[in-house]
Amino acid sequence: NAGVMQNPRHLVRRRGQEARLRCSPMKGHSHVYWYRQLPEEGLKFMVYLQKENIIDESGMPKERFSAEFPKEGPSILRIQQVVRGDSAAYFCASSDDRGFSNQPQHFGDGTRLSIL
Amino acid sequence: AQSVAQPEDQVNVAEGNPLTVKCTYSVSGNPYLFWYVQYPNRGLQFLLKYITGDNLVKGSYGFEAEFNKSQTSFHLKKPSALVSDSALYFCAVRDPYTGGGNKLTFGTGTQLKVEL
Repeated sequence: NAGVMQNPRHLVRRRGQEARLRCSPMKGHSHVYWYRQLPEEGLKFMVYLQKENIIDESGMPKERFSAEFPKEGPSILRIQQVVRGDSAAYFCASSDDRGFSNQPQHFGDGTRLSIL
Repeated sequence: AQSVAQPEDQVNVAEGNPLTVKCTYSVSGNPYLFWYVQYPNRGLQFLLKYITGDNLVKGSYGFEAEFNKSQTSFHLKKPSALVSDSALYFCAVRDPYTGGGNKLTFGTGTQLKVEL
């Protein structure tokens, strides 16, 4: 499967724990985007990364949330000290190397985070 | 700032009848417009896009959409609906030329239900 791979598909954490969500982009893609989908809502942009660089983090909460996309390995969305309000589906998308191109973003199946 | 409105939470249509899912947008510059479909517990699948050129865009699974600049609309259409088209549909906009960057802004989604 050459699509966007996210793991885990489901993640359960207790309040105060850390959550790590992983995303491997499609082969040949070096642009990664993270979105959050709350119940009964559309997707909200969080962060846009290229290899080793954060390009746009205008949608990221100021505290507890961080993202990286290292030179080797998947992109990681990290949520520290999780709270109940962090419960949501987190989607990763990737696009090709043409920067500000008109190519669509391709989405993974998401990680559904539940906070107890 | 860019925004998308999907005025209908749900659209019901009989199989074999034409369907329309409405979308209007607001951007500062020229929009890139996209339609995605989401099935339960899955990620978003790309259906079609409008970047420039012909206002009628054809996409996957027999769907098409018409870009109307004067009405700032990008309605999704299909001449003959199938039960298997039942899913959640999202319209999205990107405005890369006036500060929107590569991020997608999504509408809140329209649940399409096709009945026999």
